[in-house]
Amino acid sequence: ETGVTQSPTHLIKTRGQQVTLRCSSQSGHNTVSWYQQALGQGPQFIFQYYREEENGRGNFPPRFSGLQFPNYSSELNVNALELDDSALYLCASSLDGNEQFFGPGTRLTVL
Amino acid sequence: EDQVTQSPEALRLQEGESSSLNCSYTVSGLRGLFWYRQDPGKGPEFLFTLYSAGEEKEKERLKATLTKKESFLHITAPKPEDSATYLCAVQTFGSGTYKYIFGTGTRLKVLA
Repeated sequence: ETGVTQSPTHLIKTRGQQVTLRCSSQSGHNTVSWYQQALGQGPQFIFQYYREEENGRGNFPPRFSGLQFPNYSSELNVNALELDDSALYLCASSLDGNEQFFGPGTRLTVL
Repeated sequence: EDQVTQSPEALRLQEGESSSLNCSYTVSGLRGLFWYRQDPGKGPEFLFTLYSAGEEKEKERLKATLTKKESFLHITAPKPEDSATYLCAVQTFGSGTYKYIFGTGTRLKVLA
């Protein structure tokens, strides 16, 4: 059984650029959630997709958007990057939104 | 406003010294409460889900309990390998949408 994978591992962007982060769900899972985690803080919920439809969203602006594909993999897109967007971005997959299994994360640095 | 608070922020224990971590919450539409363990530089690792007051779950040296306002993670006879940050999260559902709210975690250090 393959766990949750994320790519890339690390990424450096400059302010104003756009970025796409990718996540492959654990086999058999149909729900994916994305989180932003700043150093020393708990993860902050960005949004959740269930069977390709967004069914949950946290307090993040519209420049944070996402997609879930028919194979339940997912993308997180962030437009107009700001310095405060520098963080660890975590993807978690689950079956029907229950126990979430997290990937290793993508470390994004915005200069 | 929905809120999850964990205490203490940090905890140092001697090997074998049992203790409890607290997670208190004020939310509407609670659907479940989750405990995770996170090691530095890694994603959180799922430990437990609790759905209703009075529920308890155990795994090795860990036991999680839930009341209407808080949850406890009891660690019995901890070992150095239990050192990590322990995160609590609640799942809510309201107005047709799900949300997850995490606490800031308890950093546990177990000394040999």
